[in-house]
Amino acid sequence: DIQMTQSPSTLSASVGDRVTFTCRASQSVSTALAWYQQKPGKAPKLLIYKVSTLQSGVPSRFSGSGSGTEFTLTISSLQPDDFATYYCQQYDAYSTFGPGTKVEIK
Amino acid sequence: EVQLVESGEGLVQPGRSLRLSCTTSGFIFGDYAMAWVRQAPGKGLEWVGFMRSKPSAVITQYAASVEGRFAISRDDSKGIAYLQMNSLKTEDTAVYYCTRWGSGNSHQYFDYWGQGILVTVSP
Repeated sequence: DIQMTQSPSTLSASVGDRVTFTCRASQSVSTALAWYQQKPGKAPKLLIYKVSTLQSGVPSRFSGSGSGTEFTLTISSLQPDDFATYYCQQYDAYSTFGPGTKVEIK
Repeated sequence: EVQLVESGEGLVQPGRSLRLSCTTSGFIFGDYAMAWVRQAPGKGLEWVGFMRSKPSAVITQYAASVEGRFAISRDDSKGIAYLQMNSLKTEDTAVYYCTRWGSGNSHQYFDYWGQGILVTVSP
């Protein structure tokens, strides 16, 4: 099974900050990597798939990069609506989610 | 508008069975694989399994934690996906989400999610 890790587990930031967090796979997942945003009590929302393809309706301040085993999600200017938990997901072999990165208000 | 709505009983005793339904609308159900993802209270997301739409070489796959106990099925005529859960354990307690593959039958990222349904397995 492919294991996913994310760092940091928690990130404290302010509105307007540029934030980047990392997702690592235990083996190559090629470009089969997606990112989701989840707010408390709500279902996750797809942000990015295929490493860097923005889902329709997602603001352009979100971007993804990477390949193989290391991937990043960047928010260019953090907005109040962005405080949430972010999960990466590999779908190269079945599916596995990372443990999440929680973005908190500094 | 694409909609996924989960339904089913919320409380069950260990060892018993439960079936969840996912009623969909707003898209051609037969063109998409469907999957279930769960989230234990205060924990992260866990993929449960998927079922592709026909024709596909591999129809269903499951996580090791539920293999042999859970089964996914679908009724394309009604636009409903099901999750049959047997031999339930307390560790199966979670919010269960019905999800749709974003790419039809090709790639297992999830573009639409239901609101989730809490299943509690307790004596």
